[in-house]
Amino acid sequence: AQSVTQPDIHITVSEGASLELRCNYSYGATPYLFWYVQSPGQGLQLLLKYFSGDTLVQGIKGFEAEFKRSQSSFNLRKPSVHWSDAAEYFCAVGRVKTSYDKVIFGPGTSLSVIP
Amino acid sequence: EAGVTQFPSHSVIEKGQTVTLRCDPISGHDNLYWYRRVMGKEIKFLLHFVKESKQDESGMPNNRFLAERTGGTYSTLKVQPAELEDSGVYFCASSQVVPPTSGRVVDTQYFGPGTRLTVL
Repeated sequence: AQSVTQPDIHITVSEGASLELRCNYSYGATPYLFWYVQSPGQGLQLLLKYFSGDTLVQGIKGFEAEFKRSQSSFNLRKPSVHWSDAAEYFCAVGRVKTSYDKVIFGPGTSLSVIP
Repeated sequence: EAGVTQFPSHSVIEKGQTVTLRCDPISGHDNLYWYRRVMGKEIKFLLHFVKESKQDESGMPNNRFLAERTGGTYSTLKVQPAELEDSGVYFCASSQVVPPTSGRVVDTQYFGPGTRLTVL
């Protein structure tokens, strides 16, 4: 069965520091991968996605993620964190079945940013 | 372009009552999905519509949950009767049906702000 793990439940970083959020997936074929962010009181916003091609994908708000098939990973990175990045981050895999996908989410990583 | 909207944003009801959640997808998106996140758990898929047809309702927890999408536009999710364990955030998402000529089979799902349901 498909699954997504995010080993870190909660991370605290200082503003201006670099960030890496880990994500590992289990899926029998090439996955479609996503990172979503949920800020307090907000809905889920798509940060970036990987469907195919270049394994390093750029997203909004200065985030990037790298797909590593050998490690079944899709880690999210940002070189310099801003206080407004404090939120909950979800890695997700799209399970392709015929012409649609059912997104399977990881448990989420809560990010706190120290001024 | 308007995003996915959901109504209400919050709902507080007592156990045994009925609640109806509404989702308006992005205009032109034939795929509509419902997900929910109960307290402390992961976001879980509930069901998927293509236009007005249910394609996959494997995630619906039990028959107290009824989803409809009459006319293929907005969707409603009714919980009747509500139980304590139904408390959580219910998300709706929509996506386009991908043309066969695009070389891929999926498109990005765009999520609404969610409805926070509290059952007392």
